[in-house]
Amino acid sequence: AQSVTQLGSHVSVSEGALVLLRCNYSSSVPPYLFWYVQYPNQGLQLLLKYTSAATLVKGINGFEAEFKKSETSFHLTKPSAHMSDAAEYFCAVSDLAGGYNKLIFGAGTRLAVHP
Amino acid sequence: DAGVIQSPRHEVTEMGQEVTLRCKPISGHNSLFWYRQTMMRGLELLIYFNNNVPIDDSGMPEDRFSAKMPNASFSTLKIQPSEPRDSAVYFCASSLGGEQPQHFGDGTRLSIL
Repeated sequence: AQSVTQLGSHVSVSEGALVLLRCNYSSSVPPYLFWYVQYPNQGLQLLLKYTSAATLVKGINGFEAEFKKSETSFHLTKPSAHMSDAAEYFCAVSDLAGGYNKLIFGAGTRLAVHP
Repeated sequence: DAGVIQSPRHEVTEMGQEVTLRCKPISGHNSLFWYRQTMMRGLELLIYFNNNVPIDDSGMPEDRFSAKMPNASFSTLKIQPSEPRDSAVYFCASSLGGEQPQHFGDGTRLSIL
């Protein structure tokens, strides 16, 4: 069965510092991987997706993630944090094994950015 | 382009009442998903429709929950009778199918007193 583990339910960084949000997945077949961001009182917004093309995926707002099969990881990074990046981030995995894009979400990581 | 539209944004009602949540997917999307988000259980898929047909309802918690999609531009999630443990944020999402990403609405925050 698929699963997603996000290490660290809360991450705090200074403005301008590197953002690193960790995601490890478990899947019996090549997965599709997604990162979503959720701002307060809003739905989830797609940041980026990996669908078996380039292993380094660039997304919106300066975020990127690297698919590492050997480590079953898909960590999200941003070189320099902005105050506006404060939100909750969700990693999700899907493999179409059920015939459709059924997303299994991690528990989420809340990112705080302080001045 | 309009995104996924959900209504109402907030709903407060008393235990035992019927609750109906509504969703308008993005035009042209053939896949529709209903999710529930709680602190304890995170994001859970409740039901998945493809071309207006329910394909996977294994996540629907019990018979009190039902969902319909009468046409490509409208879906409802109904809870009858509602219970306090149903309090959560309910999201609707739509996609073009396959590995295409899901686009989420802003959710309905449901409180059952």
